[in-house]
Amino acid sequence: GESVGLHLPTLSVQEGDNSIINCAYSNSASDYFIWYKQESGKGPQFIIDIRSNMDKRQGQRVTVLLNKTVKHLSLQIAATQPGDSAVYFCAENSFMGGGADGLTFGKGTHLIIQP
Amino acid sequence: DSGVTQTPKHLITATGQRVTLRCSPRSGDLSVYWYQQSLDQGLQFLIQYYNGEERAKGNILERFSAQQFPDLHSELNLSSLELGDSALYFCASSVSSGSTDTQYFGPGTRLTVL
Repeated sequence: GESVGLHLPTLSVQEGDNSIINCAYSNSASDYFIWYKQESGKGPQFIIDIRSNMDKRQGQRVTVLLNKTVKHLSLQIAATQPGDSAVYFCAENSFMGGGADGLTFGKGTHLIIQP
Repeated sequence: DSGVTQTPKHLITATGQRVTLRCSPRSGDLSVYWYQQSLDQGLQFLIQYYNGEERAKGNILERFSAQQFPDLHSELNLSSLELGDSALYFCASSVSSGSTDTQYFGPGTRLTVL
């Protein structure tokens, strides 16, 4: 089946630096992509999303880039803070017909912020 | 806080048993989704309900079933439990069933099967 995966399982960055988390997807028909943040013991928290008719979207300290040509998605976090430490998942919307949708998640990248 | 609530927070049971997990969606949301998160399989979509009716099935075992009630809360029933069913179970909700509706996740139920 189609899958969404991440390039790196762990990313360590210095506090204050920018972080870039990457994601590759395989379903060329995907039209909606989401980044979630999951802290230890909590559920996935929505960060930002992007539709396939866009290539960039910005939020507060976060930017998502979509390259449909190479089926690549990235999340950029500016000026990382200790509170950014978490596992980050990209997810793809899988349209299964009839308006029903289940997200397909990547394996996750653990972002570690070094003081 | 996403506004999605799940109970119980933790559940410990034995193999062969049956359990029920409960989820209340955000106020106004009509769709409920169930996901399983395990170390080896990651986050996997199980099933979706929209306004009381099943809309989509993912990797849900036949031993598992779900339903959504008129007040829109949902229950996930897991029966004949096996050790491998130990996992985190998340519920998410969205406004409707559109392909670009944001899904908001609850805090999860940690199931341990001994």
